[in-house]
Amino acid sequence: QIQLVQSGPELKKPGESLKISCKASGYTFTDYAMQWVKQAPGKGLQYMGWINTQTGKPTYADDFKERFVFSLETSASTAYLQINNLKNEDTATYFCARGTAYWGQGVMVTVSS
Amino acid sequence: DVVMTQTPPSLSVAIGQSVSISCKSSQSLVASDKNTYLNWLLQSPGRSPKRLIYQVSKLDSGVPDRFSGSGSEKDFTLKISRVEAEDLGVYYCLQGTHLPLTFGSGTKLEIK
Repeated sequence: QIQLVQSGPELKKPGESLKISCKASGYTFTDYAMQWVKQAPGKGLQYMGWINTQTGKPTYADDFKERFVFSLETSASTAYLQINNLKNEDTATYFCARGTAYWGQGVMVTVSS
Repeated sequence: DVVMTQTPPSLSVAIGQSVSISCKSSQSLVASDKNTYLNWLLQSPGRSPKRLIYQVSKLDSGVPDRFSGSGSEKDFTLKISRVEAEDLGVYYCLQGTHLPLTFGSGTKLEIK
């Protein structure tokens, strides 16, 4: 069955960087783009953008054009989200999703000094 | 970006009642291929979102037929007939016609 399994929770300080992973299984990784979605505590879902898993080209929504990097390790069927120069407002759960139908379990990221 | 206006923000219903949630888009969601990429998702407490309906009215596998979607162009509705306890959570509409994808603000369904 199709699964997206994400890495574990993160606790970071402002200014640090982090990289979270999303490992896909049950389908051909390069057949579908991977999306990323942010959910701040108690808030709704915010689309961050997507990465073309065939070409590796990322596309970022306007709020995520600075400090955010989507990447791939195609041989491992894994997508990554890197956030640089972390800020308190990056505290959120981050989901990867294949299209709109398949979602990872989410990674809770806490940024606090 | 397409703005998705979702109402009401919350609902409190008794088991067995029916409810409707509205989602209105700022632009037509009819794509160049003539499909309309309007989805409904449910986020149960502490869980990741789960898609219930895609392309306005198509139920995902395993979704009870108590759920139904309707609408066209810019005006869409999710109806839940005979609400059950497991239906509680936050419902989101999500448009996939225009990039960037955009979500409605969510409707929190509580059980009385």
